[in-house]
Amino acid sequence: KAGVTQTPRYLIKTRGQQVTLSCSPISGHRSVSWYQQTPGQGLQFLFEYFSETQRNKGNFPGRFSGRQFSNSRSEMNVSTLELGDSALYLCASSLAGRDTGELFFGEGSRLTVL
Amino acid sequence: QQQVKQSPQSLIVQKGGISIINCAYENTAFDYFPWYQQFPGKGPALLIAIRPDVSEKKEGRFTISFNKSAKQFSLHIMDSQPGDSATYFCAASGETSGSRLTFGEGTQLTVNP
Repeated sequence: KAGVTQTPRYLIKTRGQQVTLSCSPISGHRSVSWYQQTPGQGLQFLFEYFSETQRNKGNFPGRFSGRQFSNSRSEMNVSTLELGDSALYLCASSLAGRDTGELFFGEGSRLTVL
Repeated sequence: QQQVKQSPQSLIVQKGGISIINCAYENTAFDYFPWYQQFPGKGPALLIAIRPDVSEKKEGRFTISFNKSAKQFSLHIMDSQPGDSATYFCAASGETSGSRLTFGEGTQLTVNP
């Protein structure tokens, strides 16, 4: 069974640009959540999508947005990039959310903002 | 009240020793406490998890101890091996959290051969 796939794995952007990251969950998983990982702030929850609806949202500015498609694939977008947005962005999928307990993480998309 | 505090930040143990990582939480609505293991260049992977109805859970060399009254839980790695060298994160979530996990700051474990 294929794991969670995130693309691209690495990318470099400049301040003010926007970026779109993609996540393909494990087949059959309907919940996709996104986390930002930085050395200073650790792992922080961005948002969760379930059946194409945003079910939960973390404390990030509106520049961070996401969506989920009917096949459960998800994208997140960051507009007007800032230096502080440099981070590893992790996508995690689960069958139906936390009730099943386990989140399966992808290897992440490492974003560098110059 | 959403925070999870984790200690130590880094830990070095000898092969065969016991590694102990501690976490504390404040939100009494938390009812699920997983531990994740992350190797460099990889995403976190679930190691073991516990719910508050039990005080201890063991899976192989890994044990979670849970103290509901103190709002603390800990991970014990018995017979630590160099392959256990990784970053460990405790986390917590509540019934209404969906897939929202609140993570601790992480502990970088190094097991020397």
